[in-house]
Amino acid sequence: EDQVTQSPEALRLQEGESSSLNCSYTVSGLRGLFWYRQDPGKGPEFLFTLYSAGEEKEKERLKATLTKKESFLHITAPKPEDSATYLCAVQSAKEYGNKLVFGAGTILRVKS
Amino acid sequence: DGGITQSPKYLFRKEGQNVTLSCEQNLNHDAMYWYRQDPGQGLRLIYYSQIVNDFQKGDIAEGYSVSREKKESFPLTVTSAQKNPTAFYLCASNSRSAGQPQHFGDGTRLSIL
Repeated sequence: EDQVTQSPEALRLQEGESSSLNCSYTVSGLRGLFWYRQDPGKGPEFLFTLYSAGEEKEKERLKATLTKKESFLHITAPKPEDSATYLCAVQSAKEYGNKLVFGAGTILRVKS
Repeated sequence: DGGITQSPKYLFRKEGQNVTLSCEQNLNHDAMYWYRQDPGQGLRLIYYSQIVNDFQKGDIAEGYSVSREKKESFPLTVTSAQKNPTAFYLCASNSRSAGQPQHFGDGTRLSIL
């Protein structure tokens, strides 16, 4: 069974204090690993797709990396507007229909 | 702009009542999905459809029903058989190509009266 575990459940940072969020996964043939950002009362907003170990993607203060067992979302010099829940999801090559399996998310709070 | 529209934003259900949540997309996507989100839990898949007039059960389909009569529309009915319907419901879509991200609407929050 495909599984995704995110840690920590919640993270509080001071503005400018860099850190990383973790997404550990087990999947039968990884077709893609996805990172999303979700603001309260809104739907998830797509950030990155990673397809193979060693791949990295960057967007502003965010950088996502991938190994064969986990992915990290690095946040450099965060600002209060980076506060949100960050979700990780995997898609298996052996499942019909491009389904995603989601982790429970990491709630990030950045204080000024 | 292309996107996914969910309505209503808030919905209240009485005991024994069926309610229908709307999801419309203008992204020309073949595949559509319904998820349920509860506090502290990840998104759980209710139903999904890869093509018009075809859909499959997800992990928590009991008490829900769907239809896919048009490419743009994928309504979800929460039936009276769903005993714990209070949750945030999210609709998503993507192309059928492997490895494509799903794009989400802004959700419907369903509560019990």
